[in-house]
Amino acid sequence: ETGVTQSPTHLIKTRGQQVTLRCSSQSGHNTVSWYQQALGQGPQFIFQYYREEENGRGNFPPRFSGLQFPNYSSELNVNALELDDSALYLCASSLPGAFYEQYFGPGTRLTVT
Amino acid sequence: SQQGEEDPQALSIQEGENATMNCSYKTSINNLQWYRQNSGRGLVHLILIRSNEREKHSGRLRVTLDTSKKSSSLLITASRAADTASYFCATVGTGNQFYFGTGTSLTVIP
Repeated sequence: ETGVTQSPTHLIKTRGQQVTLRCSSQSGHNTVSWYQQALGQGPQFIFQYYREEENGRGNFPPRFSGLQFPNYSSELNVNALELDDSALYLCASSLPGAFYEQYFGPGTRLTVT
Repeated sequence: SQQGEEDPQALSIQEGENATMNCSYKTSINNLQWYRQNSGRGLVHLILIRSNEREKHSGRLRVTLDTSKKSSSLLITASRAADTASYFCATVGTGNQFYFGTGTSLTVIP
């Protein structure tokens, strides 16, 4: 166990709806990244937050947004859900000064119908 | 795309054998990392090799890096059934973006 938790574990939504996924980082980790992993693929970087500010973003549309809170927990929000948004969503946190070593949560499996 | 590619896509070996998987990437790097993922769960960081290193060991893992060929290999020696998982290489590009490869699915048969 990495100490990074995500909720919920599974989620089913309808196309057009909005969803919020949550991540609780390991204690002391001030950087969190979010990834989308489609079945059979590698994780795709969505964005990263460092000390509550977005610190990098992948090739995802603006309907993917995030927040990081003072306690370093984080949210991923996706608006106007599309069928292709069905995937495993992973968050990963890292320690100050150890940016490259990420600790991943177990993921949230999102199904859009 | 800056995403790496792992080779082979799938690998099946007997317990006790060695497993080798390869990763190719497209851009200059500061370091390269390998991660393991068990059956649709979160990834676990295995090892990081810096661009000025050619080889690194950690327990039964041996990683090599050839920056001239933009490639890396991960060797798992004396494999165990518990090593069954998907293995990904990852690099970091501009804007702190992590790029993961497509993964190698390893099956170790007891």
